[in-house]
Amino acid sequence: GAVVSQHPSWVICKSGTSVKIECRSLDFQATTMFWYRQFPKQSLMLMATSNEGSKATYEQGVEKDKFLINHASLTLSTLTVTSAHPEDSSFYICSAPPLSGANVLTFGAGSRLTVL
Amino acid sequence: DQQVKQNSPSLSVQEGRISILNCDYTNSMFDYFLWYKKYPAEGPTFLISISSIKDKNEDGRFTVFLNKSAKHLSLHIVPSQPGDSAVYFCAARASGTYKYIFGTGTRLKVLA
Repeated sequence: GAVVSQHPSWVICKSGTSVKIECRSLDFQATTMFWYRQFPKQSLMLMATSNEGSKATYEQGVEKDKFLINHASLTLSTLTVTSAHPEDSSFYICSAPPLSGANVLTFGAGSRLTVL
Repeated sequence: DQQVKQNSPSLSVQEGRISILNCDYTNSMFDYFLWYKKYPAEGPTFLISISSIKDKNEDGRFTVFLNKSAKHLSLHIVPSQPGDSAVYFCAARASGTYKYIFGTGTRLKVLA
């Protein structure tokens, strides 16, 4: 089955620094990855769709310059939170679309970002 | 505009009884629905799905019902077990896409 690995699982950083989160598809190739964000006790909100070899597609209200997404290869997508502030503290989760013939998103384990 | 809603933020059920989690949606273009289970600080894990051409799908203790006319789906867990305690999200996607919209989640607590 499809396995998505996300790293780091937990990161604490100072305000104003940038943090990179990696999402890897371990046993399959993903031309697309989805990045979600979850605030405490809230829903998973789709932030953007990364596309291998082209620009990411951002959802309405998501700052492109704040959340840089790069899909460097068929197995790696990265989310960089630039100039992080405390309000960026959240749980970030990536997911890969279904494999051929399936309909289920496979999620990574998530990354908890805390900005001091 | 919340297209997928889970109006019950929490639910407590006695072990062995049935848990019923509800989900409502507004977009008639949604054609596929998923239920995920999530523990704190972990990614969601897939539970069960249903296509809009069906009204019921069953997998072991989990059954999902879909009422298209009411734009409502529900997840039944029977018998409920303490290990089922988690947050449950329903998710829906529009036909022809892989973009899923998630509900706000229901925290289920199964009491031993």
